[in-house]
Amino acid sequence: ETGVTQTPRHLVMGMTNKKSLKCEQHLGHNAMYWYKQSAKKPLELMFVYNFKEQTENNSVPSRFSPECPNSSHLFLHLHTLQPEDSALYLCASSQAGLAAEQFFGPGTRLTVL
Amino acid sequence: ILNVEQSPQSLHVQEGDSTNFTCSFPSSNFYALHWYRWETAKSPEALFVMTLNGDEKKKGRISATLNTKEGYSYLYIKGSQPEDSATYLCASIGTGNQFYFGTGTSLTVIP
Repeated sequence: ETGVTQTPRHLVMGMTNKKSLKCEQHLGHNAMYWYKQSAKKPLELMFVYNFKEQTENNSVPSRFSPECPNSSHLFLHLHTLQPEDSALYLCASSQAGLAAEQFFGPGTRLTVL
Repeated sequence: ILNVEQSPQSLHVQEGDSTNFTCSFPSSNFYALHWYRWETAKSPEALFVMTLNGDEKKKGRISATLNTKEGYSYLYIKGSQPEDSATYLCASIGTGNQFYFGTGTSLTVIP
């Protein structure tokens, strides 16, 4: 595997389900990100991890819970989601630093029923 | 400007034409400006990261300029090709770790 991978690619879940999105990067980067892309809206940064430490949480509801066990893996745990949470969730990684270009995964298309 | 704004929203050009589009961003607390290309069914791909006022970057037929004092960046594509068809995103990064993306410019190059 190369680059940034995300699983699953598609996910349909009910509002009472618990699921997790997984992201893995094979680039030796130190920073990882979760983004949300809703229809007709800009990409929204959700969480940033630098060297496994969360450095940014853009007022994301607690029903989204990130986990970064090491610098290569990032999870987004989902619990009691709402239909408006349906979106494309993108993971990215980069070298640490605000000026580092980010490498994106293919995304998980999430539908909440 | 409080948010990142990109214009135009969409653009159709003929193959061989040159084109450009704009990204406007808040000039206060500026740290970096990123450009990405996002083709349908693929992941966003980094084009440029720019930090210095007056900076110009080039990659093949694509180039970008940055004006941090007035808060704008231009992306230029010379001699557009069908494979340039994509959505071009810019993101403004602030010194306080703020990341703001624009909604993108959708470019279609007609053969």
